[in-house]
Amino acid sequence: AQKITQTQPGMFVQEKEAVTLDCTYDTSDPSYGLFWYKQPSSGEMIFLIYQGSYDQQNATEGRYSLNFQKARKSANLVISASQLGDSAMYFCAMREGAGNQFYFGTGTSLTVIP
Amino acid sequence: EAQVTQNPRYLITVTGKKLTVTCSQNMNHEYMSWYRQDPGLGLRQIYYSMNVEVTDKGDVPEGYKVSRKEKRNFPLILESPSPNQTSLYFCASSLHRTGGGSPLHFGNGTRLTVT
Repeated sequence: AQKITQTQPGMFVQEKEAVTLDCTYDTSDPSYGLFWYKQPSSGEMIFLIYQGSYDQQNATEGRYSLNFQKARKSANLVISASQLGDSAMYFCAMREGAGNQFYFGTGTSLTVIP
Repeated sequence: EAQVTQNPRYLITVTGKKLTVTCSQNMNHEYMSWYRQDPGLGLRQIYYSMNVEVTDKGDVPEGYKVSRKEKRNFPLILESPSPNQTSLYFCASSLHRTGGGSPLHFGNGTRLTVT
């Protein structure tokens, strides 16, 4: 079974609008961390936001927030007030507390339309 | 500046010619790993290391070797490259060897083409 599933290969959003990128995960470890990364067309991987499984509140970092629904095993990334520079590939990832590997989804390509 | 440095950025080689992609981090991180990125497949882990002289296979280790003789360096070795190893490769490091909290810090990637 896939550890991380991103079901949206491509998304479009109007500039200044909010957008939600979906991520579901699969683990039986009660302790885990969830991460989102951005990969612009230049290719580098940029860390955006982290959510721990025991965190009581949803993580936020500037315009990025993580909609963490533990019972549904989902960790959706919300980008508010989209900007043209947000056009990129976005990857969801997980690391289990007792584990040694990071698992990545297949990514969502976001295009912001002016 | 805290960073992960991998070289080269671009590499074109021929089938069977041994090559090494270097990776170095200056953050005193315990955990280092290699990934390959292919369209539609996301990032897949090749090998990882939790400490000096401790390495283990990820999900796609076939055709690759690694070593961790020093904490800062984690080279990826392709003894006999084949065209199916044409890919974008990333080295990454994380502060802690285990646990969920530390994010990966990535190098800028190496685009490898094997003809």
